[in-house]
Amino acid sequence: GIQVEQSPPDLILQEGANSTLRCNFSDSVNNLQWFHQNPWGQLINLFYIPSGTKQNGRLSATTVATERYSLLYISSSQTTDSGVYFCAVLTGTASKLTFGTGTRLQVTL
Amino acid sequence: DAGVTQSPTHLIKTRGQHVTLRCSPISGHKSVSWYQQVLGQGPQFIFQYYEKEERGRGNFPDRFSARQFPNYSSELNVNALLLGDSALYLCASSLPLTEGLAIYEQYFGPGTRLTVT
Repeated sequence: GIQVEQSPPDLILQEGANSTLRCNFSDSVNNLQWFHQNPWGQLINLFYIPSGTKQNGRLSATTVATERYSLLYISSSQTTDSGVYFCAVLTGTASKLTFGTGTRLQVTL
Repeated sequence: DAGVTQSPTHLIKTRGQHVTLRCSPISGHKSVSWYQQVLGQGPQFIFQYYEKEERGRGNFPDRFSARQFPNYSSELNVNALLLGDSALYLCASSLPLTEGLAIYEQYFGPGTRLTVT
């Protein structure tokens, strides 16, 4: 099956700093989503981005499907950005999302 | 509009018991998927139901079963619970962007945290 790897696995930032999270996948995909999992376990949709670039406030994402990677940019980080960030992909006609290994982000004052 | 809802939020069971978890999708969504997330890992796919039919099954034993009702809500059942079944169980609903194709954005509920002792 498809392999989805994220880097870095852990990241500690001071409030106000910028960061880039990376998601590499081993096969072509039909769908790619980025999620933020808060400390209570809720998965919050950030982007649905099988290709191209999207922006939403301080967050933006780029997926280069031909090179099999996606990037999530967080600018001017805030303590509320803390949590685990997952990318997840859907391939072919498969009905399941395959999640990446996650990046645990901690934003400190 | 209400998001995906799940019940109960927390549950404690003993080994060998069975459990039923419930999920209500976003209004208008016809597809429901279930995922298991053990501590420190990403969610793992268990089942997908679309229009009340099973459309996908992950690598889980037959102790896991599910069904979808005419109102598109869903139940996940786990029999003969093991300690290793302790996890956060997540339900996701989606509305196909293209009818008949499995290409859609999924929205997750808050999860049910199951502890097996």
